Amino acid sequence: DTEVTQTPKHLVMGMTNKKSLKCEQHMGHRAMYWYKQKAKKPPELMFVYSYEKLSINESVPSRFSPECPNSSLLNLHLHALQPEDSALYLCASSQDPSPGRAKDEQFFGPGTRLTVL
Amino acid sequence: DQQVKQNSPSLSVQEGRISILNCDYTNSMFDYFLWYKKYPAEGPTFLISISSIKDKNEDGRFTVFLNKSAKHLSLHIVPSQPGDSAVYFCAASAINTGTASKLTFGTGTRLQVTL
Repeated sequence: DTEVTQTPKHLVMGMTNKKSLKCEQHMGHRAMYWYKQKAKKPPELMFVYSYEKLSINESVPSRFSPECPNSSLLNLHLHALQPEDSALYLCASSQDPSPGRAKDEQFFGPGTRLTVL
Repeated sequence: DQQVKQNSPSLSVQEGRISILNCDYTNSMFDYFLWYKKYPAEGPTFLISISSIKDKNEDGRFTVFLNKSAKHLSLHIVPSQPGDSAVYFCAASAINTGTASKLTFGTGTRLQVTL
């Protein structure tokens, strides 16, 4: 299995809603990532989990809350979002974040298209 | 501050010809570079990578060249095929300090391969 899967594919939510995005990989990867991509812009890193621990938070507002329940799963909990948070949210994974290891490419899921009304 | 730049937003190439996509970077700490291809409504797909200890890496129709002194890399696709039409992003990461790689993406180049 060489896939990163993301659910749902599309999500529409109001500013008072609470929702979650899910990401799953079964490649044995130990690093997982959340990116945000706005139209005609490059993906921007939000969070990195390394061995199920949060290792990078790119100053993301607290209305986005990541969670890594185990090495295969990554969630992004959403609460009180703003319309400007509408974007494609991408999950990615890579093999091994250990120091000294040759760099590993990141594998991306298809993304969740989020619309905040 | 855009640390990775792709100055050509779009490129049109005839089928069978060579496509050359360019990327420049400013951060001298970057030591690993990747190219991704992205179709609309899909996540980026990894194409090829290169470490800063090399100046060339080849995989089938795809070759990446790295010029460290110029802080420039390029992706060559030959021969170009209609299925190569997509947005291409270059990405870079800095020396691994013990955390997972943090990729910085360029702005993307839309490649169109015409018949």
